[in-house]
Amino acid sequence: DIVMTQAPLSVSVTPGESASISCRSSKSLLHSNGITYVYWYLQKPGKSPQLLIYRMSNLASGVPDRFSGSGSETDFTLKISRVEAEDVGIYYCGQLLENPYTFGAGTKLELK
Amino acid sequence: EVKLLESGGGLVQPGGSLRLSCAASGFTFADFYMSWFRQSPGKAPEWLSFIRNKANSYTTEYNPSVKGRFTISRDDTQNVLYLQMNTLSTEDTAIYYCAKQLGDYWGQGVMVTVSS
Repeated sequence: DIVMTQAPLSVSVTPGESASISCRSSKSLLHSNGITYVYWYLQKPGKSPQLLIYRMSNLASGVPDRFSGSGSETDFTLKISRVEAEDVGIYYCGQLLENPYTFGAGTKLELK
Repeated sequence: EVKLLESGGGLVQPGGSLRLSCAASGFTFADFYMSWFRQSPGKAPEWLSFIRNKANSYTTEYNPSVKGRFTISRDDTQNVLYLQMNTLSTEDTAIYYCAKQLGDYWGQGVMVTVSS
């Protein structure tokens, strides 16, 4: 199975500042079609996960452009600019390249 | 607005079975792949299965961790997704979510508890 490793496990951010979360995969997530199958999700407290970023750098519908995704074949970054109170929760990276699709352990974002 | 509403969860004894349902609305259900995920308390989500649409012959994929015990199906006439779960163990205790495609929208989840 592809292992997704996130860092840090938690991050505390002052509102208005930016935050970055890293994710590393144990195998390249770059498909031969040129698409990198890494996804980012946010799970707000008591809620279901919601998709933020798909295929490494594409913003999901309705997601503020304060969120952005980037990376290479195995190393990925989610950046949140101008963190707001509504961004609190656990962020997960996931790979949808091969079965079984797997997730990182999550990064908890809190406000200072 | 996409809405996914799971039902059918509850308490079941080890070795028992349960069928989950997911009622979908707000999009053309028949056009899309649909998935099931689960999440144990304090853990990351775990993908379980997905089913393709009619154009792709309703073919299915399963996580090896549940293959042979869980069966995904769909009724495009009723816009409902199902997950039949057999031979349940305590390790299957989790919140179960249905999702459009491979997670672009998730339901609110339904709790399944396997305990004697």
